[in-house]
Amino acid sequence: QKEVEQDPGPLSVPEGAIVSLNCTYSNSAFQYFMWYRQYSRKGPELLMYTYSSGNKEDGRFTAQVDKSSKYISLFIRDSQPSDSATYLCAMKGFNKFYFGSGTKLNVKP
Amino acid sequence: GAVVSQHPSRVICKSGTSVKIECRSLDFQATTMFWYRQFPKQSLMLMATSNEGSKATYEQGVEKDKFLINHASLTLSTLTVTSAHPEDSSFYICSAPDRGQANTEAFFGQGTRLTVV
Repeated sequence: QKEVEQDPGPLSVPEGAIVSLNCTYSNSAFQYFMWYRQYSRKGPELLMYTYSSGNKEDGRFTAQVDKSSKYISLFIRDSQPSDSATYLCAMKGFNKFYFGSGTKLNVKP
Repeated sequence: GAVVSQHPSRVICKSGTSVKIECRSLDFQATTMFWYRQFPKQSLMLMATSNEGSKATYEQGVEKDKFLINHASLTLSTLTVTSAHPEDSSFYICSAPDRGQANTEAFFGQGTRLTVV
């Protein structure tokens, strides 16, 4: 079983839609959870970072962590074509980061 | 957020030659840096963990003599692909957690697209 599971998509939505991206994980010791956005042929860019369970909001982005279900989500409100990218979830274990495979999002104008 | 600079962004080299990729943390100190390889439409594959002042830790299956890592200072790590072959062509990315942030967030370089011809 992979440490982190993420649906690769692609996910295609119309402009203005609410997007929900999700990851599940197996290691209950994970405490730090991150979402990255990666444009084609670029390095990942940190979007959101949360510690333990709960919600965190930053503009149009909301990150949720449910440690009891080992499930994390990223919501994007009022999605824009510029949000089209691959979104990677990540978790920090002991001295190492674990990444999902990434979900490719396409927001159509 | 913290800035990690990776250079070069793109390099083409001939088979048998060596290529050096640099990764610098510009506004923070990084005792640890990670080197990843990313294949098309796939996630990041950790190759090795670079530690300032000590030997790098390589993941299983990664040849340490082929992928030489040096972490010379708290702001610089280098990856040298030695005797490159076409199968080494890939996207290489470094990342560094911010020691000042308890190493909880990893910041990435821009990546290096290596093509071996």
